[in-house]
Amino acid sequence: EAGVAQSPRYKIIEKRQSVAFWCNPISGHATLYWYQQILGQGPKLLIQFQNNGVVDDSQLPKDRFSAERLKGVDSTLKIQPAKLEDSAVYLCASSLVRGPRSSYEQYFGPGTRLTVT
Amino acid sequence: KQEVTQIPAALSVPEGENLVLNCSFTDSAIYNLQWFRQDPGKGLTSLLLIQSSQREQTSGRLNASLDKSSGRSTLYIAASQPGDSATYLCAGASGTYKYIFGTGTRLKVLA
Repeated sequence: EAGVAQSPRYKIIEKRQSVAFWCNPISGHATLYWYQQILGQGPKLLIQFQNNGVVDDSQLPKDRFSAERLKGVDSTLKIQPAKLEDSAVYLCASSLVRGPRSSYEQYFGPGTRLTVT
Repeated sequence: KQEVTQIPAALSVPEGENLVLNCSFTDSAIYNLQWFRQDPGKGLTSLLLIQSSQREQTSGRLNASLDKSSGRSTLYIAASQPGDSATYLCAGASGTYKYIFGTGTRLKVLA
């Protein structure tokens, strides 16, 4: 079974530029998560999708970050314009819904390391 | 609001030692508690998932327990090896299966 795919793996941009990250979850996984992990900290949830609907985006800085999951499969996360404090690793995870509270085990992709200069 | 704390933040032990990593959470209405391993510059690898109806899970030298009433989970690593050196993260899911992560425990096993 193929894992969660993310691209690019690394990205360096200047502040005020825009950037986009792509995630392809494990086939059949209905739930998709985007996390931001700043060096030395645990991952922080940015947005959670169930199929192509947003479940939680309470910690997404909506003035500069946007995300979509068309057709309930692949997802893109965009930052426009980027700030220095956006330097972090952006992680995508997915989970399979088997029923109410019976699973939701998360599987993570390798992440995209973003450096904003 | 769920908060997750991991203690200690860093741990260094000699090879062969048994060790315990701690994870505390504030919201006892937790559905899942998942333990991960993260190697430098890598993504997260799932180690164990404990669902709310379970009290513990085992995989090889790893054993994780969950006590919802006290708001604690522990990860026990038996006979530690240098290859176990990594950061260990716990994450609790509640509400809409929103996962909240701790800040992790950086483990170094000395040969």
